[in-house]
Amino acid sequence: EAGVTQFPSHSVIEKGQTVTLRCDPISGHDNLYWYRRVMGKEIKFLLHFVKESKQDESGMPNNRFLAERTGGTYSTLKVQPAELEDSGVYFCASSQDRGIGYGYTFGSGTRLTVV
Amino acid sequence: GQQLNQSPQSMFIQEGEDVSMNCTSSSIFNTWLWYKQEPGEGPVLLIALYKAGELTSNGRLTAQFGITRKDSFLNISASIPSDVGIYFCAGRLTAGGTSYGKLTFGQGTILTVHP
Repeated sequence: EAGVTQFPSHSVIEKGQTVTLRCDPISGHDNLYWYRRVMGKEIKFLLHFVKESKQDESGMPNNRFLAERTGGTYSTLKVQPAELEDSGVYFCASSQDRGIGYGYTFGSGTRLTVV
Repeated sequence: GQQLNQSPQSMFIQEGEDVSMNCTSSSIFNTWLWYKQEPGEGPVLLIALYKAGELTSNGRLTAQFGITRKDSFLNISASIPSDVGIYFCAGRLTAGGTSYGKLTFGQGTILTVHP
């Protein structure tokens, strides 16, 4: 089966611009998660979708970040306007159920650089 | 919020040596996970632990869920060059409620293996 796909793999934008990241989960996985790793630090939870609903968005840093999952398939994460501290690697993951038994399958990530 | 302290931050070892890394927390976690990330890829699950005191092996990897549920270690025996990567511990607070999708990650251990 195809894994979790993220697009783009890299993005370099200027401060103040808008960027949209996309994640295609494994087909049939209702649970979709967004995480972020700022350079050299831990991977931090952003939010969790169950189908098209936001189950937990407690990790979203501020209202410049907007995540959507229309139709319960792919998800987008928009950053508008981007700030320098938003630079990092954004990971998407998915799981079929609550992830008990095998954790979550992560995508390769989108490396975002804000200059 | 919850925080995981992972150590060591980095390790430089010779091929064939054994490796040990650990994570500690001030909070109790109900699930501990160990992931490996290789360059350009997302984290890949190595071992999942669900019970306090549980000791689980996956080939040359062995991990334990601490009795207090506040720590876990990962051992790699007889290291080989392909073990190179970043190893992350992750804890999940609960398998239920609204936050079951949230994993708390450690800062990662960078492993370098010299042939």
